[in-house]
Amino acid sequence: DAGVIQSPRHEVTEMGQEVTLRCKPISGHDYLFWYRQTMMRGLELLIYFNNNVPIDDSGMPEDRFSAKMPNASFSTLKIQPSEPRDSAVYFCASSEVASGDYNEQFFGPGTRLTVL
Amino acid sequence: TQLLEQSPQFLSIQEGENLTVYCNSSSVFSSLQWYRQEPGEGPVLLVTVVTGGEVKKLKRLTFQFGDARKDSSLHITAAQTGDTGLYLCAGGGYSSASKIIFGSGTRLSIRP
Repeated sequence: DAGVIQSPRHEVTEMGQEVTLRCKPISGHDYLFWYRQTMMRGLELLIYFNNNVPIDDSGMPEDRFSAKMPNASFSTLKIQPSEPRDSAVYFCASSEVASGDYNEQFFGPGTRLTVL
Repeated sequence: TQLLEQSPQFLSIQEGENLTVYCNSSSVFSSLQWYRQEPGEGPVLLVTVVTGGEVKKLKRLTFQFGDARKDSSLHITAAQTGDTGLYLCAGGGYSSASKIIFGSGTRLSIRP
């Protein structure tokens, strides 16, 4: 398996523009997570899906952020309009249903977003 | 709100030395995971501990889950330059089987 795939790896855009980040989870995994990582705030969970349904979006910072998962093999995170404070590395992760009360997440390589 | 604090935040030591990093919380977790992240990559899972007092070893790395399931430690023996990276602990809560909370991270640098 190729692992979690994210695109683009790097994105530079200007304030006010729309940004769309893409993720392909590992085949067969039921959960998909979107995280944001910055030096100041560390790794923050934005939203996660189970079987393509959003379960918890309490980490989504504002209405400018939206995420979709139209099918089991694809998800997008959109920022519209983007602002300089959105600059961060965005990670997608997936996991399969695990026994017990925990799961093991597999992360993609991340998208480094810079908003000028 | 469940929070995980890691210490130290930064650690730079000489190759061959031993070190311990800590992950502490006031909350109880059903499981505790340790991830390592290298520059330009996503975190990679090292180990999961689920039983209070549990100790797991991965070559030169020893992981322990506190008896009360509120804390964990990672001990590295005879550190190597390849151990350099960001170490993240992550706690799984009883309220959600899926959501995990990441700690603030310990950035480890091993000097040759």
